[in-house]
Amino acid sequence: DVKVTQSSRYLVKRTGEKVFLECVQDMDHENMFWYRQDPGLGLRLIYFSYDVKMKEKGDIPEGYSVSREKKERFSLILESASTNQTSMYLCASSSGQRTFTDTQYFGPGTRLTVL
Amino acid sequence: AQSVSQHNHHVILSEAASLELGCNYSYGGTVNLFWYVQYPGQHLQLLLKYFSGDPLVKGIKGFEAEFIKSKFSFNLRKPSVQWSDTAEYFCAVIMGRRALTFGSGTRLQVQP
Repeated sequence: DVKVTQSSRYLVKRTGEKVFLECVQDMDHENMFWYRQDPGLGLRLIYFSYDVKMKEKGDIPEGYSVSREKKERFSLILESASTNQTSMYLCASSSGQRTFTDTQYFGPGTRLTVL
Repeated sequence: AQSVSQHNHHVILSEAASLELGCNYSYGGTVNLFWYVQYPGQHLQLLLKYFSGDPLVKGIKGFEAEFIKSKFSFNLRKPSVQWSDTAEYFCAVIMGRRALTFGSGTRLQVQP
């Protein structure tokens, strides 16, 4: 069974803080993804990675960066958190290097509130 | 711009009613199509997917979806819903070599 875990279910931070969201998958998947989920907007892709140290911007990368130093771990970084980054953040992984046709498996999400 | 549209934002049905949720995408090339479901308090999980072949695909829990290429649609259906189908449903499409693009979701509420 594929397992994608995220470091926190709930997180509260202050404006301007640096925030790290961690994601770990245990299926040796090449691809990993970060989305944010907002009511009425569905899931929007922030960044994805198809290999260690490789990353590509998604649809809404502004204000975010990512890090993938190990295959199983993909971190999302908010350099200076702002209130408009209050959201649910979902991590996902899939197999198939540089192809994205395989099923994506999702973590439980981190609900981030920025005050 | 490539996009995925789900026109039903909130659907309320009684148990045993039939369900059809619409999904349309805007892309003229090859697509891979997915429906995901998020039950209250649970992870997003795959309901069904279409890559090629028979355009009518069957998924888990009695759901099915039909790919109609000429209409750029991939509608989700279930003949008889149950209270346990209450959830949010997301259509998602891979258009070309891009990563997955999600629709805005449809919240389904099934009344006992």
